[in-house]
Amino acid sequence: SQQGEEDPQALSIQEGENATMNCSYKTSINNLQWYRQNSGRGLVHLILIRSNEREKHSGRLRVTLDTSKKSSSLLITASRAADTASYFCATVVNAGNMLTFGGGTRLMVKP
Amino acid sequence: DAGITQSPRHKVTETGTPVTLRCHQTENHRYMYWYRQDPGHGLRLIHYSYGVKDTDKGEVSDGYSVSRSKTEDFLLTLESATSSQTSVYFCAIRARVDTEAFFGQGTRLTVV
Repeated sequence: SQQGEEDPQALSIQEGENATMNCSYKTSINNLQWYRQNSGRGLVHLILIRSNEREKHSGRLRVTLDTSKKSSSLLITASRAADTASYFCATVVNAGNMLTFGGGTRLMVKP
Repeated sequence: DAGITQSPRHKVTETGTPVTLRCHQTENHRYMYWYRQDPGHGLRLIHYSYGVKDTDKGEVSDGYSVSRSKTEDFLLTLESATSSQTSVYFCAIRARVDTEAFFGQGTRLTVV
């Protein structure tokens, strides 16, 4: 089974609402990263949070990390139709060599 | 954009034939990865490399082998392609442990 698992698998919201996606993982990590994938394209990096950090912001993105619960969340505030995409969390493990992904959350933002 | 190129972009092959996918980078990054993406499974790690001639297995390595004889190229070989290996394959590169990964555009492989 995969190291990371996102929840929910799919999310549909109206433009202007906030979107929250969660990620749980199984083993100790070096850092955790969030990526976005538009349909048919490669993944694009959004934000990286280190294991000793609890919260990080980047524009409309807010990421939290709780290492005691082995979980992370990605919040997108004031969503836009252009945010429609799949979002993946990825964890860096095995002395930093491995980068493993979860199953992703499909976000649809309706205009 | 990070200099990472996958080839070919599309390939149709017959069951039982060998197939090699190539990932080429111009960034001199240490780490290189091969993933496959299938509906309902997200991205699954096949093999990865942490240096020239240093490779290791990922989550779904059965039926796949890799080679990295120089920094810029990471080859993924399907020794004898099966229909279950029909997928979209992504290569990624990463400079250091605490940096992000950059992805190629993907290779759509169909095994008939």
